[in-house]
Amino acid sequence: DAKTTQPNSMESNEEEPVHLPCNHSTISGTDYIHWYRQLPSQGPEYVIHGLTSNVNNRMASLAIAEDRKSSTLILHRATLRDAAVYYCILRGPLGAQKLVFGQGTRLTINP
Amino acid sequence: EAGVAQSPRYKIIEKRQSVAFWCNPISGHATLYWYQQILGQGPKLLIQFQNNGVVDDSQLPKDRFSAERLKGVDSTLKIQPAKLEDSAVYLCASSPLTGLNTGELFFGEGSRLTVL
Repeated sequence: DAKTTQPNSMESNEEEPVHLPCNHSTISGTDYIHWYRQLPSQGPEYVIHGLTSNVNNRMASLAIAEDRKSSTLILHRATLRDAAVYYCILRGPLGAQKLVFGQGTRLTINP
Repeated sequence: EAGVAQSPRYKIIEKRQSVAFWCNPISGHATLYWYQQILGQGPKLLIQFQNNGVVDDSQLPKDRFSAERLKGVDSTLKIQPAKLEDSAVYLCASSPLTGLNTGELFFGEGSRLTVL
């Protein structure tokens, strides 16, 4: 399974943008970049995924480097409810493939 | 739409006892996963089912853990006998069997096991 590297923790302030980095230098051409987050005492939840182009949805934006060796999850205006562990995961092209979680980044939001 | 249901939410047992966790996936989801999450770590896949067949159980400690998915719907994960290191949250997830990489995983809230 291709690996990702994320900072252990990050801190930001409420109502400010947050940029969560992820390095995946060994990504293969068919790997998708997925982001999940885990709020306290809950199971992980899907945030966003992409292959080559930048992606936007109601939760976040995903910026993917041109060489695909890194990506950044962007929360445009963080709220206290965004405090969670964020996981960047590489996943093969088939829909039923498993997710392999790393340690993730623990995001703290200051009021 | 109802989410992934798991029970019990909490369980405390003594080592060498047995325990079982139940999962009801989202209706129509063909793929079901059991993950183990030890405190401070990311979830680790134990077993993956597609319908009622096992796709991947390479990280399931088969000497003490077992799982089944009868009729391709509900699933049960059993630990017998439990060890102290089995203390963790057991997460169930399901996903639809769709086309190219659209199989978002939906997780339940998990079952927290404490082994004393």
